[in-house]
Amino acid sequence: AQTVTQSQPEMSVQEAETVTLSCTYDTSESDYYLFWYKQPPSRQMILVIRQEAYKQQNATENRFSVNFQKAAKSFSLKISDSQLGDAAMYFCAYRRRYNFNKFYFGSGTKLNVKP
Amino acid sequence: DAGVTQSPTHLIKTRGQQVTLRCSPKSGHDTVSWYQQALGQGPQFIFQYYEEEERQRGNFPDRFSGHQFPNYSSELNVNALLLGDSALYLCASSLALGTGELFFGEGSRLTVL
Repeated sequence: AQTVTQSQPEMSVQEAETVTLSCTYDTSESDYYLFWYKQPPSRQMILVIRQEAYKQQNATENRFSVNFQKAAKSFSLKISDSQLGDAAMYFCAYRRRYNFNKFYFGSGTKLNVKP
Repeated sequence: DAGVTQSPTHLIKTRGQQVTLRCSPKSGHDTVSWYQQALGQGPQFIFQYYEEEERQRGNFPDRFSGHQFPNYSSELNVNALLLGDSALYLCASSLALGTGELFFGEGSRLTVL
């Protein structure tokens, strides 16, 4: 069974600094996708970044980048130049390549951004 | 372009009652999935609907059922409510032949007393 683990329940970062959120996962599949979703107090989950397992290059979206270590089954999110609007719950998620709707989520990391 | 909309946003029920939650997918999307998010936890997959049929199901009892209508909107029904059913219920939509990205609604917060 696929499991996703986020070992940091809560983290804090100073505005404009860099923070890294950790995620590990367990799967016997070789072809899959990994995601980071953001959930602000408004509750709506918003996609931050996506990584295809078959791609060796780490995904980047503006201030957000990932460190994908397939052999270690590790998928961390780095947020550069943190902004107050980045404060939210962050969820790491996994899905099999051709199973579009069944996502496995971690328990989340609450990110606090200090002004 | 309307995103995923869910109703009601909040509701309170008592044990043993039944509840129906509703979801309208993002315009153009044909697949709807439902997730349960307990307090302090990540979302857990309940089931997925496509072409008005349940296509996949997570580890949830038969008390949880759903429906998809010809206009792609969906309902989640929970019978014989338990205290443990208290959670945020998230609806997510996608396009079956798309990239697989899920778009989420803001959820329905169910409290069972």
